Amino acid sequence: QKEVEQNSGPLSVPEGAIASLNCTYSDRGSQSFFWYRQYSGKSPELIMFIYSNGDKEDGRFTAQLNKASQYVSLLIRDSQPSDSATYLCAVNLLSGSARQLTFGSGTQLTVLP
Amino acid sequence: DGGITQSPKYLFRKEGQNVTLSCEQNLNHDAMYWYRQDPGQGLRLIYYSQIVNDFQKGDIAEGYSVSREKKESFPLTVTSAQKNPTAFYLCASSMQGPANQPQHFGDGTRLSIL
Repeated sequence: QKEVEQNSGPLSVPEGAIASLNCTYSDRGSQSFFWYRQYSGKSPELIMFIYSNGDKEDGRFTAQLNKASQYVSLLIRDSQPSDSATYLCAVNLLSGSARQLTFGSGTQLTVLP
Repeated sequence: DGGITQSPKYLFRKEGQNVTLSCEQNLNHDAMYWYRQDPGQGLRLIYYSQIVNDFQKGDIAEGYSVSREKKESFPLTVTSAQKNPTAFYLCASSMQGPANQPQHFGDGTRLSIL
């Protein structure tokens, strides 16, 4: 079982729709959760981070965290073609005796004009 | 402007050669990291450092070495022992480490074998 799991996609949504990206993780003690956007050939760019259960909104982006179910999701409202990218979920997992940020393999999102 | 600068953008390595990738940050961050990304994969941690003159191995440290002599700088050497070095290398930093603060990335270095 992967420690941080995302659907690889590709996920396609029409322009203006809501895109929903999901991420599950294996460590019940994880406390920090991050979403990054990565355009093809570029480095990851931080979109949002969330530490507490519930929703956190920033513009068109909403992060949702449910620690009991061990999943975190990212909603993108009013999707635009410029949102087409790979979205990486990152979670602070216990590795040996220390926590480190562990990345999922990403979900590729395509927003169709 | 504050940020993380990686150089070079592209690097080619000959068989048996060591190469060094540069990473400099002016964000006054304590923690710095090196990741490797292969096509279609997530990021894998190579090394990280939380303070000057101290660093820890990540998941895939074999064939790599680092130093942290200054807070601003965290160079990565890909040694000849790394038999499959072709990848996209990403340097990141955060205010504190190793896992609770957001990490911010440089533009990356693409390494290929000649």
